[in-house]
Amino acid sequence: NAGVTQTPKFRILKIGQSMTLQCTQDMNHNYMYWYRQDPGMGLKLIYYSVGAGITDKGEVPNGYNVSRSTTEDFPLRLELAAPSQTSVYFCASSKNRVGAQYFGPGTRLTVL
Amino acid sequence: KQEVTQIPAALSVPEGENLVLNCSFTDSAIYNLQWFRQDPGKGLTSLLLIQSSQREQTSGRLNASLDKSSGRSTLYIAASQPGDSATYLCAVSFGTQGGSEKLVFGKGTKLTVNP
Repeated sequence: NAGVTQTPKFRILKIGQSMTLQCTQDMNHNYMYWYRQDPGMGLKLIYYSVGAGITDKGEVPNGYNVSRSTTEDFPLRLELAAPSQTSVYFCASSKNRVGAQYFGPGTRLTVL
Repeated sequence: KQEVTQIPAALSVPEGENLVLNCSFTDSAIYNLQWFRQDPGKGLTSLLLIQSSQREQTSGRLNASLDKSSGRSTLYIAASQPGDSATYLCAVSFGTQGGSEKLVFGKGTKLTVNP
């Protein structure tokens, strides 16, 4: 199993541009998550999904959108990128609500 | 507010030493607690998961304990090696009023094991 994969690894955006961060897992996990990690701030939950067709906001959802059309994929959409969205983004998945979370390698995004 | 605190923020030890990393949390109504390892520029690797009904979990040289009543967890690393150098993150799954759960991360302890 590849586990959780994320693309791209790195990206530089200009202010106002949009992009989609891709996340795929091959473990047949129901739960998927998007986090951002800022230096010295710990990880913050952006959005999560408990299954295909179901998504919900986390702690810092503003400026982001998600969809979950399949069990495997959970893309994160940034509209009108802002410098405050410069961060490292991690996707994670778990089998159920109390299971261990498995993380992807991350996407390092810079907005200039 | 549900918070997770890790102290110290950084720790440097000589190779071979046994060490303890600490994690404290503010609410005893938790589902589970997970310890992760993060290498520089990399993602998080799950080390140990302790369910709320458990007291400890062990994997190789690692042992994690959980005391819900005092809001504390420790990660014990035996016979430390330079390859153990990384940032160790504690994450607690708290229950919410809406009946769902919320995973809150500490800011981590950066461990350096010197040869």
